[in-house]
Amino acid sequence: TQLLEQSPQFLSIQEGENLTVYCNSSSVFSSLQWYRQEPGEGPVLLVTVVTGGEVKKLKRLTFQFGDARKDSSLHITAAQPGDTGLYLCAGGSNYKLTFGKGTLLTVNP
Amino acid sequence: DTAVSQTPKYLVTQMGNDKSIKCEQNLGHDTMYWYKQDSKKFLKIMFSYNNKELIINETVPNRFSPKSPDKAHLNLHINSLELGDSAVYFCASSQGSRSGNTIYFGEGSWLTVV
Repeated sequence: TQLLEQSPQFLSIQEGENLTVYCNSSSVFSSLQWYRQEPGEGPVLLVTVVTGGEVKKLKRLTFQFGDARKDSSLHITAAQPGDTGLYLCAGGSNYKLTFGKGTLLTVNP
Repeated sequence: DTAVSQTPKYLVTQMGNDKSIKCEQNLGHDTMYWYKQDSKKFLKIMFSYNNKELIINETVPNRFSPKSPDKAHLNLHINSLELGDSAVYFCASSQGSRSGNTIYFGEGSWLTVV
């Protein structure tokens, strides 16, 4: 089973601060995904990274896939209260997407 | 128009009862899933189906029986409910099963067993 370790598990910051969330594994993934889950909702895909070293930007969110395709990071610039949620990284084989345990981010106004 | 819809959203039931959760997707996808999210927010695959056929059963007790009458529906029936079954159950779908495909989740069904 491919395991994904996320850190930190919890993060509480003030509006305007920057933050980075990490997703690490000892396994190589053909791709990794990041999802965001808001309270009472299902996870929603933010991005898929497929190439080692790839960097993708989504407004104030920057996603990076490690060169060896074993890890990924999510960096948020100038966090806003609307960024509050559970951030999940995910990867895996056909029919079986494995999720990390998530980072619960709270951005305080 | 909701892409992946599941009912009921909330379910409170006693130990030993049998209950079902229904799921429908209107995205035309051929692959559907059931995931379980525990109290610590850990999301784990339970079942994967492709065109109504079971592909993955991730060591789920046989008290859980999924049924897919057609590729747009994947229902979950649970027999003899136990306290440990309390969780949020998410139905999801994707077009194809390849790693990297987008998975679309429903809003979840919050099951509480008392």
